[in-house]
Amino acid sequence: DTGVSQDPRHKITKRGQNVTFRCDPISEHNRLYWYRQTLGQGPEFLTYFQNEAQLEKSRLLSDRFSAERPKGSFSTLEIQRTEQGDSAMYLCASSQGDRTHYTFGSGTRLTVV
Amino acid sequence: GNSVTQMEGPVTLSEEAFLTINCTYTATGYPSLFWYVQYPGEGLQLLLKATKADDKGSNKGFEATYRKETTSFHLEKGSVQVSDSAVYFCALLPNAGNMLTFGGGTRLMVKP
Repeated sequence: DTGVSQDPRHKITKRGQNVTFRCDPISEHNRLYWYRQTLGQGPEFLTYFQNEAQLEKSRLLSDRFSAERPKGSFSTLEIQRTEQGDSAMYLCASSQGDRTHYTFGSGTRLTVV
Repeated sequence: GNSVTQMEGPVTLSEEAFLTINCTYTATGYPSLFWYVQYPGEGLQLLLKATKADDKGSNKGFEATYRKETTSFHLEKGSVQVSDSAVYFCALLPNAGNMLTFGGGTRLMVKP
């Protein structure tokens, strides 16, 4: 059990560029979550997968955001046409069985310049 | 909707002082309640949780009791250490959902 892995740890991009983040959950965890944390704030829910199905999406997830989880294993979060307001820490978490037992990754910090 | 309110920081304490960080919530039914800790540059680590009323979660000297009557889940520690310096988040998980709702976080600074 290597925990939840996120890649990259840091990403700096110019406004208008597209970025993609990857999350590798704990092996065999069937639930996967994405959260966004802006500076000085608590994390906010973005989306949730059970296996490969995306079951919940927050209103925060605008049309420029898309998340996938092919084959129910790793997940990607893509942001198109990035804006400065997208600058944040993007956190991934996974769980299996007891849904109260979330495990978070270390996050990807995005800076849009 | 669901919400979590926790005391604003920073909270600055001397080593071995008593710690209380207040947390209250709004939710229907009986959510599960959590405290997470975040060290600089890192993700969230679960500190403790309680899944039903009157349960006490505890870990590493930290404790919190799920009080349904006051909708609270205050975090306490009898004697803080410099290594406890971090940001602490209170959160809830509804009894029929998968989305955690977090408070705004409380920064704790412990001075030697």
